[in-house]
Amino acid sequence: DTEVTQTPKHLVMGMTNKKSLKCEQHMGHRAMYWYKQKAKKPPELMFVYSYEKLSINESVPSRFSPECPNSSLLNLHLHALQPEDSALYLCASSQEWGYQPQHFGDGTRLSIL
Amino acid sequence: TQLLEQSPQFLSIQEGENLTVYCNSSSVFSSLQWYRQEPGEGPVLLVTVVTGGEVKKLKRLTFQFGDARKDSSLHITAAQPGDTGLYLCAGEWNRDDKIIFGKGTRLHILP
Repeated sequence: DTEVTQTPKHLVMGMTNKKSLKCEQHMGHRAMYWYKQKAKKPPELMFVYSYEKLSINESVPSRFSPECPNSSLLNLHLHALQPEDSALYLCASSQEWGYQPQHFGDGTRLSIL
Repeated sequence: TQLLEQSPQFLSIQEGENLTVYCNSSSVFSSLQWYRQEPGEGPVLLVTVVTGGEVKKLKRLTFQFGDARKDSSLHITAAQPGDTGLYLCAGEWNRDDKIIFGKGTRLHILP
């Protein structure tokens, strides 16, 4: 079982909906990450949080809005997504930013209608 | 932007055969990870290598890190159908920098 928990496992939403993806870890890790993975491709980094502060935004469109309420939780708020945003969204955590390895959750499979 | 090359991209072999997957860069890694990912799941960490020349074993999997820390290999002995999956290497070149994933090796072991 993964130590990084993501919910929901699957999400189908329309382009006008607002939804949120959630990620939780209780390993005491202070760095958390959002990745996007398209079919048959490797994960692509979206955001990095270090000590609850946004450290890296890989030029992600504003329709994706991350939030880190505390050191154990990471959210990704979604609004007005496009069909091309359909993908597996992975959350990961590591002891600290710059310390490997990263531990991944099982992801949320997102489909935009 | 650092580049990380992983090969082969696809590999389909018979059960019991041996195989090797490679991960290369033109620059020195500060650390490198190998992950395995099955459909519908996230990548699962197999190993982290940091020291040049390092060899780590995980049952039938042997991981090597090149002396110059620019390349790594994953060798599977006597492959089994349960080894089927996507194998990803991920490298970091500088501390406080993001990791870059290779394109992955999709491995299929035929019973």
